[in-house]
Amino acid sequence: DAGITQSPRHKVTETGTPVTLRCHQTENHRYMYWYRQDPGHGLRLIHYSYGVKDTDKGEVSDGYSVSRSKTEDFLLTLESATSSQTSVYFCAIRGQSNQPQHFGDGTRLSIL
Amino acid sequence: EDQVTQSPEALRLQEGESSSLNCSYTVSGLRGLFWYRQDPGKGPEFLFTLYSAGEEKEKERLKATLTKKESFLHITAPKPEDSATYLCAVQGLTGGGNKLTFGTGTQLKVEL
Repeated sequence: DAGITQSPRHKVTETGTPVTLRCHQTENHRYMYWYRQDPGHGLRLIHYSYGVKDTDKGEVSDGYSVSRSKTEDFLLTLESATSSQTSVYFCAIRGQSNQPQHFGDGTRLSIL
Repeated sequence: EDQVTQSPEALRLQEGESSSLNCSYTVSGLRGLFWYRQDPGKGPEFLFTLYSAGEEKEKERLKATLTKKESFLHITAPKPEDSATYLCAVQGLTGGGNKLTFGTGTQLKVEL
């Protein structure tokens, strides 16, 4: 299994609070991704990183920010959580361009 | 905009009853088509990458095929442990970082 750890695995919080999710990898891969998965939608890309301090937006980036200060860690922050951000969040990593993305086991986030 | 449609949404098979899952796609220049398996509470697990029409990949009871408009995941003599949601994703030429566009998946249940 790819060495990807997401934390926390479950979180319940209130509307308006800040939330940070962490993705940690031990594969030294260049690319890291954050997705959300909701019923009726495929996995949707939020943000991705192509190197330390290099990030870009995905298709559903509004309300989210990311940071990558080390190769192994990619953080996703919800500055002021809303109920529409209740979802399961997955981190993925990828090495070379001809390799597939590999996923962590997700964080289930509930915003009340 | 890249699009992926998977059918059927759900499929129930008896053990040993072979069938196929469909993934139809439109993409601005296909760089790769990916199949993943997802178990409840887990992240997607990589199965196959297909790059060009006519290509086939096999793994145990699974075989993936690709045409210019769709991909099929054939399941031969399935067992209950093959029960999972199967996801299809495409990577097009546009977009940096090898972004993937996912379908909503086919939920497969194999019964004894």
